[in-house]
Amino acid sequence: ETGVTQTPRHLVMGMTNKKSLKCEQHLGHNAMYWYKQSAKKPLELMFVYNFKEQTENNSVPSRFSPECPNSSHLFLHLHTLQPEDSALYLCASSPKGQAGNSYEQYFGPGTRLTVT
Amino acid sequence: DAKTTQPPSMDCAEGRAANLPCNHSTISGNEYVYWYRQIHSQGPQYIIHGLKNNETNEMASLIITEDRKSSTLILPHATLRDTAVYYCIVSRTTDSWGKLQFGAGTQVVVTP
Repeated sequence: ETGVTQTPRHLVMGMTNKKSLKCEQHLGHNAMYWYKQSAKKPLELMFVYNFKEQTENNSVPSRFSPECPNSSHLFLHLHTLQPEDSALYLCASSPKGQAGNSYEQYFGPGTRLTVT
Repeated sequence: DAKTTQPPSMDCAEGRAANLPCNHSTISGNEYVYWYRQIHSQGPQYIIHGLKNNETNEMASLIITEDRKSSTLILPHATLRDTAVYYCIVSRTTDSWGKLQFGAGTQVVVTP
């Protein structure tokens, strides 16, 4: 148990659906991240938020829309996805600078998304 | 950020020490070495990190060579639950909000 929770854990959606993934951390961290892990591929960073501000968008298609209303919550809004977007979506948080200059990240369990 | 090279797989006997190597010959002075692991279908788990000194915590030890071009993660007494993919990552933390670039990692299988 890392202190980072993600809901739902599993999601099946059609290509015309709209859904949202939720991430919550109770660690008092300042930075939050979305990663995508497709089958047989390394984790890919999607978005970084620091103090609720988006500081990184790793060329992610606009059908993925992040939202960070406060430092504890992060959402990923999904619409008109493609089957190749099926993957494990992972959220992470980091203390960012609260312990020197290190940025160790703590990951949630992920949401397994299947797009049909 | 510097790139790392790890062996694709390793086997280890339960109860023995597991020594996981990582090469990062292009590491720069302000880059940390991080180790994470990912048990099948779970989120990655932070293990340890270091800059230039050796580090130890309750999970593992990290040995960084003096020239910082390579490091070794040591799991002192491997258990079956240590079977996972282990990732060695170097990350410049001063301006990148701790962005981590994951590679393929080393698949470690601990056998009875």
